[in-house]
Amino acid sequence: DIQMTQSPSSLSASVGDRVTITCRASQGISNNVAWFQQRPGKAPKSLIYAASSLQSGVPSKFSGSGSGTDFTLTISSLQPEDFATYYCQQYNSFPLTFGGGTKVEIK
Amino acid sequence: EVQLVESGGGLIQPGRSLRLSCTVSGFTFGDYAMSWFRQAPGKGLDWVGFIRSKAYGGTTEYAASVKGRFTISRDDSKSIAYLQMNSLKTEDTAVYYCTRGHGGNSVGSLDWGQGTLVTVSS
Repeated sequence: DIQMTQSPSSLSASVGDRVTITCRASQGISNNVAWFQQRPGKAPKSLIYAASSLQSGVPSKFSGSGSGTDFTLTISSLQPEDFATYYCQQYNSFPLTFGGGTKVEIK
Repeated sequence: EVQLVESGGGLIQPGRSLRLSCTVSGFTFGDYAMSWFRQAPGKGLDWVGFIRSKAYGGTTEYAASVKGRFTISRDDSKSIAYLQMNSLKTEDTAVYYCTRGHGGNSVGSLDWGQGTLVTVSS
């Protein structure tokens, strides 16, 4: 199975901050990575697919990059509604696997 | 508007069976692959399984932890995906989500349902 190592597991940031979350795959997975946002008590929401493609309706403050084994999700200017947990996922091969999540909290 | 609504969750004893449904609207269900995920209380996301569209054979893939116990199927005439869960274990306790892929053979998760809670306990 492909392991997705996500870091940090949590971070504190202020409104307006630029935030970067990283994910490292245990083997090369091309660009087959997605990023999801999950607010407390809610279902996950798709943000990014194919490592850098923005889902329809997702604000452009979210961006993704990477290929191979190293991937990043960046939020350019954190807003109150962005405080949530973020997950990366590889879908290069079965079983699909997720990173452990990054909880973004208010500083 | 795309909607996915899971139903069928509840409290169930270990060893028993339960069937979850994912009823969709707002898109042509038969054209898309569907996936199931779960999230144990306070934990991260786990993939459960996947079914391709009929155009891609309607075949399925499963996580090792559920293979042989869980079965995913689809009824394109009703726009419903099912997750049949047999021989349930306490560790199957989780919120279960269904998702829509980007296409008939896509394991991506474009849209998510709101989830349904399954509690396995005696």
